[in-house]
Amino acid sequence: SQQGEEDPQALSIQEGENATMNCSYKTSINNLQWYRQNSGRGLVHLILIRSNEREKHSGRLRVTLDTSKKSSSLLITASRAADTASYFCATDADFGNEKLTFGTGTRLTIIP
Amino acid sequence: AAGVIQSPRHLIKEKRETATLKCYPIPRHDTVYWYQQGPGQDPQFLISFYEKMQSDKGSIPDRFSAQQFSDYHSELNMSSLELGDSALYFCASSLGLRANYGYTFGSGTRLTVV
Repeated sequence: SQQGEEDPQALSIQEGENATMNCSYKTSINNLQWYRQNSGRGLVHLILIRSNEREKHSGRLRVTLDTSKKSSSLLITASRAADTASYFCATDADFGNEKLTFGTGTRLTIIP
Repeated sequence: AAGVIQSPRHLIKEKRETATLKCYPIPRHDTVYWYQQGPGQDPQFLISFYEKMQSDKGSIPDRFSAQQFSDYHSELNMSSLELGDSALYFCASSLGLRANYGYTFGSGTRLTVV
């Protein structure tokens, strides 16, 4: 079953613009994480935001978390061609186990 | 810095054959997770181990089994392979049962069943 759903499923923007991706989830969480995946390659951890945090920054990345709406957003500012990849949110539920449940991912294409 | 190592990187097997995927966690990490990612799909949790004991189980078929060894590396054994098993198989590791700073994933093993 799928915990998270992301929108949009695909996003194309011009280099230099900002890209915003959204993620919704269904259960209570311990934390929410964003990962990046280049085509057919491994998952790279980008940023983790805990359930008691509302916003977090890392370089050109800004993540927000709204636990009342069970949603998160990832903003990439001043996009670069190298940002082209799929971006997944993943939740770590706050009950029992520690497995990650991934969303469906957003395919981001940066047009040079 | 050492990362999570998976082997092999690519594997081609025929239907009904057996495959073994290996995962070597980051040194001192005691928890290993296995995920399966079908073409165009999101990663799905299969199974995890903490201190050589199974800690959680997800959508892992009965044809698959896994274990974690004394050196903390893990192996995923897949038998009676089916075409639908073709996927990327990722391993991640962490120290302890909760990765409060995110999980480190390996580059994955791409399994193709023909």
